[in-house]
Amino acid sequence: NAGVTQTPKFRVLKTGQSMTLLCAQDMNHEYMYWYRQDPGMGLRLIHYSVGEGTTAKGEVPDGYNVSRLKKQNFLLGLESAAPSQTSVYFCASTTITTGQGAVRTEAFFGQGTRLTVV
Amino acid sequence: GQQVMQIPQYQHVQEGEDFTTYCNSSTTLSNIQWYKQRPGGHPVFLIQLVKSGEVKKQKRLTFQFGEAKKNSSLHITATQTTDVGTYFCAGFWGKLQFGAGTQVVVTP
Repeated sequence: NAGVTQTPKFRVLKTGQSMTLLCAQDMNHEYMYWYRQDPGMGLRLIHYSVGEGTTAKGEVPDGYNVSRLKKQNFLLGLESAAPSQTSVYFCASTTITTGQGAVRTEAFFGQGTRLTVV
Repeated sequence: GQQVMQIPQYQHVQEGEDFTTYCNSSTTLSNIQWYKQRPGGHPVFLIQLVKSGEVKKQKRLTFQFGEAKKNSSLHITATQTTDVGTYFCAGFWGKLQFGAGTQVVVTP
């Protein structure tokens, strides 16, 4: 059981180049997320998806696009990379369960992608 | 919008000491979750609290959810070097949003 797998793990881009980060989960989770992590900023939500074919913006969506064509995959695209997008990117997936008046979630994270834009 | 604030941002602890990190929300939470990220690693789920006033323990870690479900705390007793890392709280409002984290450094 692989859980959440991110590819690639490392990448160096030149300003203006494009790339796609792939996230794959094998837990049949409905929700998937892309976060970026910068020193002192915690995990900031870029985009998320609540199911196949749906996407929504998070806190910091500018400069990124996403797609969720298959339930198990969530792609993050950078159309024209900028140095400000240098960061560590994490993908996560969760399922939501409700019962006894409570909403329960648990996120599983990928290993992260360290992206440097020069 | 909804967000969670964590304090302190940094915590330097002598091995063997206790410390507490706090999480506060601008709105009522349906649940609060805590995660730990080791240096160079990815966040790993620790625990989830769903009930008002709930207290849960995991060995030396004690988690508490406020009565109004707007705040939470993580208390670690007798800190060890294995406790090094960043601790995040997260709230769910149709999407999972994290606080900025508390980075814990342990001095032997």
